[in-house]
Amino acid sequence: NAGVMQNPRHLVRRRGQEARLRCSPMKGHSHVYWYRQLPEEGLKFMVYLQKENIIDESGMPKERFSAEFPKEGPSILRIQQVVRGDSAAYFCASSPIGTDESSSYNSPLHFGNGTRLTVT
Amino acid sequence: DAKTTQPTSMDCAEGRAANLPCNHSTISGNEYVYWYRQIHSQGPQYIIHGLKNNETNEMASLIITEDRKSSTLILPHATLRDTAVYYCIVSGNQFYFGTGTSLTVIP
Repeated sequence: NAGVMQNPRHLVRRRGQEARLRCSPMKGHSHVYWYRQLPEEGLKFMVYLQKENIIDESGMPKERFSAEFPKEGPSILRIQQVVRGDSAAYFCASSPIGTDESSSYNSPLHFGNGTRLTVT
Repeated sequence: DAKTTQPTSMDCAEGRAANLPCNHSTISGNEYVYWYRQIHSQGPQYIIHGLKNNETNEMASLIITEDRKSSTLILPHATLRDTAVYYCIVSGNQFYFGTGTSLTVIP
């Protein structure tokens, strides 16, 4: 039973280029969460998606960042015109039910091993 | 964002029990307490979660106080591979990670 798969594991981009990070959730999971971890810091929530819907993007920077989770295929986190400050580890998690679907949420999120983005 | 408070760092001797505390005084009646750990920038690894009763699995035990305002994660026989950052999370609408406790297991 494959876990959450993220690719690429490492991504190097020059300033101004675009970065595309992919996340395939665990089988049977239709809820995806993206987190960012800057060096020496904790994980910060970015966005929560269900298939074809963005449920909560309160942690997403207002510009240059977007996320999607199409009906078919992986979830994509897209960063346009990257800057050095975007260098970080980006983690994806999935769950079989959404954290917004119950006031008593009883299902752990399962995380991938992340994509490490380096902007030069 | 995070509704939990943890010590910044702790040491534990190899083979001894590691007891990691967490305060969550504003927890709501139906929110669960989750514990994760992150080993050297790998993805966070789920350990255990509970609502009000104590829980145990193959990795750890979770002790939740009767008023649910705090909990303790217990690693019964710590090994060097348990050196990691441990995060205590209260499930609300989102899983908010604080800064966690950096546990160092000493040989």
